[in-house]
Amino acid sequence: KNQVEQSPQSLIILEGKNCTLQCNYTVSPFSNLRWYKQDTGRGPVSLTIMTFSENTKSNGRYTATLDADTKQSSLHITASQLSDSASYICVVTDDVSGGYNKLIFGAGTRLAVHP
Amino acid sequence: DAGVIQSPRHEVTEMGQEVTLRCKPISGHDYLFWYRQTMMRGLELLIYFNNNVPIDDSGMPEDRFSAKMPNASFSTLKIQPSEPRDSAVYFCASRRSGWADTQYFGPGTRLTVL
Repeated sequence: KNQVEQSPQSLIILEGKNCTLQCNYTVSPFSNLRWYKQDTGRGPVSLTIMTFSENTKSNGRYTATLDADTKQSSLHITASQLSDSASYICVVTDDVSGGYNKLIFGAGTRLAVHP
Repeated sequence: DAGVIQSPRHEVTEMGQEVTLRCKPISGHDYLFWYRQTMMRGLELLIYFNNNVPIDDSGMPEDRFSAKMPNASFSTLKIQPSEPRDSAVYFCASRRSGWADTQYFGPGTRLTVL
């Protein structure tokens, strides 16, 4: 069964510190992996997208990594800010030929950045 | 562009009542998706449309749920009759045709069924 698992479930860090969120998936065949940020009361917003051949992709203070062999991804946040407080959702797209590529969502990691 | 627009933002209704959620996708996007989000189950795809045609409704929980897309700029998700377990945040999202194109989510409708 195609699954996406994220850890930790929740995380509290102090402003200015770095943190890393993890995503493990069993989706096969694999097309791409995205990280979304969801602020409270809002819809998810895409941060990064990576395909099979990409190992690292950055978006400002956010850096995502992908190891397609071990089926693991991480999202590293550098010099956290209060505005980084949100849920971060890992989403993996399967690669089913002849049909719609389904998105499989992780449950998310809830990050709280405290002053 | 105003982004994906959803209405209402909040809906409180009593069990058994009909609920209609509305969505206006981003202009030029030919895919539209309806999702439901709960604490227990996270984000779940309910149904999606391509060029106004429903393609996959396997995520629709049961016959009480129905969705329509009468034109490229409007879609509705209807629940009739509503039940307390339908309480959730319902998101609409849209994107262009390219596989790598990002889905843009609306702000969601928070539904509470009493």
